[in-house]
Amino acid sequence: GNSVTQMEGPVTLSEEAFLTINCTYTATGYPSLFWYVQYPGEGLQLLLKATKADDKGSNKGFEATYRKETTSFHLEKGSVQVSDSAVYFCALKGSSNTGKLIFGQGTTLQVKP
Amino acid sequence: NAGVTQTPKFQVLKTGQSMTLQCAQDMNHEYMSWYRQDPGMGLRLIHYSVGAGITDQGEVPNGYNVSRSTTEDFPLRLLSAAPSQTSVYFCASSGDRGAGNTIYFGEGSWLTVV
Repeated sequence: GNSVTQMEGPVTLSEEAFLTINCTYTATGYPSLFWYVQYPGEGLQLLLKATKADDKGSNKGFEATYRKETTSFHLEKGSVQVSDSAVYFCALKGSSNTGKLIFGQGTTLQVKP
Repeated sequence: NAGVTQTPKFQVLKTGQSMTLQCAQDMNHEYMSWYRQDPGMGLRLIHYSVGAGITDQGEVPNGYNVSRSTTEDFPLRLLSAAPSQTSVYFCASSGDRGAGNTIYFGEGSWLTVV
């Protein structure tokens, strides 16, 4: 079945450092891929998405490219801020599903000033 | 737009009690679902619905019931609460069957069973 694997956290960075959070997936067909962010005490917000191979999703300085050949959707940001501290979830929606998402386990990012 | 609204936000239950988590969306979305979030496990699907009158089980359905009598509402019922159901619960909705369609989440319901 479909699955998503994220790098384990927590990831601790200094402000202005480069961020990469790895995400790989297993899926049949042509899934869509998403990154959601959860700030402390809040719900999930969609950060970015990509619906087909080689698409790049981007938002708020974050980017992720849908790589079908490596089944990956790594999240990157060139210069993180303290306000980026949150839990980041990679998720997959299959091509034949009914609105369901398969989530990775989440990666906690802590950015220190 | 209110989007996806969940109530209550916080709840403490005693073992064996029953309760209902409410979820409502005002976007006329066809698809609705319930997830639970546990540390180190991401979000896991409990139940989902593809339209009024149609529901199905997700990955972790035991101990929960759902119904979908209207397009707007998708309540989650805990029949006899257990400490293992202590979790954060999220309701979600999306508009169509397209794989790329965005799924919108409520703000979560923090449930503690003692």
